[in-house]
Amino acid sequence: GQQVMQIPQYQHVQEGEDFTTYCNSSTTLSNIQWYKQRPGGHPVFLIQLVKSGEVKKQKRLTFQFGEAKKNSSLHITATQTTDVGTYFCALKVGYSSASKIIFGSGTRLSIRP
Amino acid sequence: GAVVSQHPSWVICKSGTSVKIECRSLDFQATTMFWYRQFPKQSLMLMATSNEGSKATYEQGVEKDKFLINHASLTLSTLTVTSAHPEDSSFYICSASLTGAYEQYFGPGTRLTVT
Repeated sequence: GQQVMQIPQYQHVQEGEDFTTYCNSSTTLSNIQWYKQRPGGHPVFLIQLVKSGEVKKQKRLTFQFGEAKKNSSLHITATQTTDVGTYFCALKVGYSSASKIIFGSGTRLSIRP
Repeated sequence: GAVVSQHPSWVICKSGTSVKIECRSLDFQATTMFWYRQFPKQSLMLMATSNEGSKATYEQGVEKDKFLINHASLTLSTLTVTSAHPEDSSFYICSASLTGAYEQYFGPGTRLTVT
């Protein structure tokens, strides 16, 4: 079935530096979702992208969906300690009641204050 | 809105016993709920899709006789880990979505430790 690969596995940055995580697939994706999981917490939905070349922003977070719809990225500008956590891309497969979410491996972000 | 709760938040049990975990959608009805397992520093692995009033759909490699799922109402799904063993120790998380919506709302998770 469809799956997504996520890189890097870990990223340790100085507070104020930028951070980017990438999600790649060998097949064309109908959509890509992004979630954030704080340490000890549960995943929280951030966004869904569905259009080729789509770019969406949420404050310091910028989400992109590739033109070929085979990759996506999440970029955080000027990281803050509140950004610490694991960022997962995820793929919704199937339709209606038969749909399910498949998660990528995640990128764990840690920040030096 | 769209709050999902889980109970218990953590549980310790002895090897060979069974443990039941509840997942509730507090302010919406969920015809479908999902159960995930997450080992430390790893991703969420989908275990099964729980459908209200019908049998759960298990992912490949998940033993349906070991992980019993019941979705008796539109607001409650339960996961029972039967004859638990130490290797079943993990973080179990459920999720649900509003009808027609694409985002998933996750419960706070249940940390299971089998001794």
